[in-house]
Parts: sequence; C-alpha cells; structure tokens
Amino acid sequence: DIQLTQSPSFLSASVGDRVTITCRASQGISSSLAWYQQKPGEAPKLLIYAASTLQSGVPSRFSGSGSGTEFTLTISSLQPEDFATYYCQQFSDYPLTFGGGTKVEI
Amino acid sequence: EVQLVESGGGLVQPGGSLRLSCAASGFTLSDHYMDWVRQAPGKGLEWVGRSRNKAYSYTTEYAASVKGRYSVSRDDSKNSLYLQMNSLKTEDTAVYYCARSNPGSAEDYWGQGTLVTVSS
Repeated sequence: DIQLTQSPSFLSASVGDRVTITCRASQGISSSLAWYQQKPGEAPKLLIYAASTLQSGVPSRFSGSGSGTEFTLTISSLQPEDFATYYCQQFSDYPLTFGGGTKVEI
Repeated sequence: EVQLVESGGGLVQPGGSLRLSCAASGFTLSDHYMDWVRQAPGKGLEWVGRSRNKAYSYTTEYAASVKGRYSVSRDDSKNSLYLQMNSLKTEDTAVYYCARSNPGSAEDYWGQGTLVTVSS
C-alpha cells in the first residue's frame, strides 16, 4: 500500500498567515494526489485534485504543488473559515489512501 | 445540483450485518465511479471500496480491512449505491460516506454520512 505522511499534524496560525502543509508518499504517484478540507461534523470537501488543479468554487488562496513523492498545500492568507483539518489522498493505486490529517487551529 | 444522501446506519451487534444506501441525484450515476469512505470517531479518513462506472462494467475494489466482508453494489435505475456489510466488528464503527469519483481522479462530491455503531 502507498503510505501518505502529512506534516505537521497540528498547526497553530493566525488570520492572514501563509500556511503550508506537506504530504509525502512512500512511492512515486505522479500527480495523482488530492487535498480535502474537513470541518467538525461535516463531510470532506475537495479543494485540489491532480496535485495542483483547483476544484471549481474553491477560493484562489488555496494552491497545490508537487509530483512524484512530495506535495504541498498552501493557503496564501488564512481566513477564519479555513480553520479545519486537511487531508491528502492518493489515487494512483489501490487501495486509495489518505494522509493522517493536519489540523489547522487558531 | 449534485446530491448524495446516505441512509441505513445504526447500532448493530458484532458479527451482524447492515446495508447502507446512498441516494444520488443531479447527475447520471452510470457515468461515474462511486466510493465508500469511513471515519472512525475522532480519527482520519479511510477508503473502504469502489464501484466503477458502466464503461468499466461496474467492477469493484476494496480495502484489505473489509475485503470478503463488505460488498459495494449499485442500481442505476434507482440512482442508488449500496454497501452490504457482513461479519461486522467493533472496529467498523464509523461514519460512512458515499462519494462520487471519476477514473483517475478524486472524490468531488460527498454525502453527509451515516453513523454505524458496532457494539454489544
């Protein structure tokens, strides 16, 4: 199975901060990576797919980069509604796997 | 508008069975892959299984943790996806989400989830 390691697990930030979350894959997955945002009590929401393609309707302050084994999600200017948990997911091979999550707190 | 609504969750004893349903609307179900993803209380996301679309003959894939116990099926005429769960274990306790996907892509729409609790 392809393991995804996210770092950090927890991140304390302030409104307006630039935030970067890293996801490392245990083997190369090309650009087959997605990022999701999940708020308490809600379903995950797709932010980025194919490593760097912004899902329709997602604010442009979110961006993704990387390929192969190292990927990043960047929030250019953190907004109050961005405090949530973020997950990466690979869809290169079965079983599909998720990273352990990064909780972004105030 | 794409909508996915899960139902069928509840309390079941270890060793028991449960069938979850996911009602889809706003898109043509047969065109899309459909996934089940679960989340144990306070934990991260775990992919459970997939039903490919009509073009790929509705073939299925499963996580090792559920293979042989769970079965994903669909009825496109009823716009519904199902998850049959047998031989349930306490560690299967989770919120189960259905999600829409596409070949070689991510899950773009998710339902609100249904809670399955396996306990005696």
